[in-house]
Amino acid sequence: QVRLVQSGPEVTKPGASVKVSCKASGYTFSSFGISWVRQAPGQGLEWMGWISGYNGYSDYAQKFHGRVTLTTDTSTSTAYMELTNLKSDDTAVYYCARDQSSSSIFFDPWGQGTLVTVSS
Amino acid sequence: EIVLTQSPGSLSLSPGERATLSCRASQSVDSGYLAWYQQKPGQAPRLLIYDASRRASGIPDRFSGSGSGTVFTLTISRLEPEDFAVYYCQQYSNSPRTFGQGTKLQIK
Repeated sequence: QVRLVQSGPEVTKPGASVKVSCKASGYTFSSFGISWVRQAPGQGLEWMGWISGYNGYSDYAQKFHGRVTLTTDTSTSTAYMELTNLKSDDTAVYYCARDQSSSSIFFDPWGQGTLVTVSS
Repeated sequence: EIVLTQSPGSLSLSPGERATLSCRASQSVDSGYLAWYQQKPGQAPRLLIYDASRRASGIPDRFSGSGSGTVFTLTISRLEPEDFAVYYCQQYSNSPRTFGQGTKLQIK
C-alpha cells in the first residue's frame, strides 16, 4: 500500500537548520509530488510548499520563501524539507503528504509526522 | 490568499445524529477545488472528500460533501463513535493552498 515514512523527532536551537526526510513506498515516486504541511502544538494545519517527483519543480508559500528548501532523491523515493534560521514558533509537527506531480492539489496519504522542537 | 472560515468551531452531538460542518471562502474557489480532512488526536490527517463532493478511497458513504463558489458543507449522515475528531477544509484553487481553522466534533 502507499506509505510515507518520515524521519524521527528533532530538537534544535534558534538560528539552526533542520532537515526532515520522507520515504515513499507503494507507488511510482516520479508520478506524484510531495507537499509539506506543519501543525504547531494545538493549532491548525499550514501548507509550506510542494515539489514534483517528476521534474523537481516546486512552489512555496510566501511565508516560508527563502527559509525552506524542498528536494527529492528519485533513486531512493525520498523527499526532504529543510528549514533554516529556526525560531521558537517553528516548533511543530511537520507532515509530508503525497500530492499531484504537476501542481499541488490535495494530500493523500500523509506521513506520520515529525516533531521539530526549537528551544534554547 | 484565500481565507477559509469553518463553523462552528466545535459541535457536540450524539452517535446516530447528523453533523453539518461549514466552510466559507473569502473568494470563490474555482471548479470546486476543495477538500475535507479528518484528524484524530496524535494522528496525521486523513483525506475524506476532494473536488468538493468526491469521496476518497475507502471513505464510508455516510460522509458527503457539497457546495460551490464560496460556501461548502461536509455532512456526516449518522455519526459513528469513530467520527468524533477535528475536521479541516482545504482549498487548492489558488496558491498558497490554505486550510480552515478546523471544527472539533465532540461526543455529547
